[in-house]
Amino acid sequence: GQQVMQIPQYQHVQEGEDFTTYCNSSTTLSNIQWYKQRPGGHPVFLIQLVKSGEVKKQKRLTFQFGEAKKNSSLHITATQTTDVGTYFCAGVNNAGNMLTFGGGTRLMVKP
Amino acid sequence: DAGVTQSPTHLIKTRGQHVTLRCSPISGHKSVSWYQQVLGQGPQFIFQYYEKEERGRGNFPDRFSARQFPNYSSELNVNALLLGDSALYLCASSFRGGGDTGELFFGEGSRLTVL
Repeated sequence: GQQVMQIPQYQHVQEGEDFTTYCNSSTTLSNIQWYKQRPGGHPVFLIQLVKSGEVKKQKRLTFQFGEAKKNSSLHITATQTTDVGTYFCAGVNNAGNMLTFGGGTRLMVKP
Repeated sequence: DAGVTQSPTHLIKTRGQHVTLRCSPISGHKSVSWYQQVLGQGPQFIFQYYEKEERGRGNFPDRFSARQFPNYSSELNVNALLLGDSALYLCASSFRGGGDTGELFFGEGSRLTVL
């Protein structure tokens, strides 16, 4: 079955440093979504990438979808304490009926 | 507008018992998906329902079943509970289903502890 891997599992940064999490799928994806889950909370949708090579920005967050539609990344510039949480990528299969989540990258920001 | 609501929020069961979890989607959303999230891991897909029909099933045993009602609310049932079923069960709704689910809106989850 489809597998989605994320690295790193954990990342500690000093406030103001940059952060990147990487996502790799074992199969070609229809599209990929990114979610953020705060401690004790539920996943909250951030963005969806559909096109090969697509790059989208949301303020300090930059999302990329690989040319082969099998990998993706999320980069945060100048982290803030409000960025704390676990970031999940979720690959959508070609049937569009199933999201496979990666294991997540837990970001901790030291003020 | 109300978001996705789930009940109960917390529950404790013993091995072998049965549990029913409930979910009400955002008004106007016709698709409901269920996910299991074990502590420290990503959500694992269990089921997707769209227009009251099962549209997707994850790699879970037959002890797990679900249904969607005419008002688009949904139930997840788990029989013969095992210790390993202890997890946060998340319900997510979306406007579309089937070939293009789009953005998922998650509820706060039901935290199940099996003793």
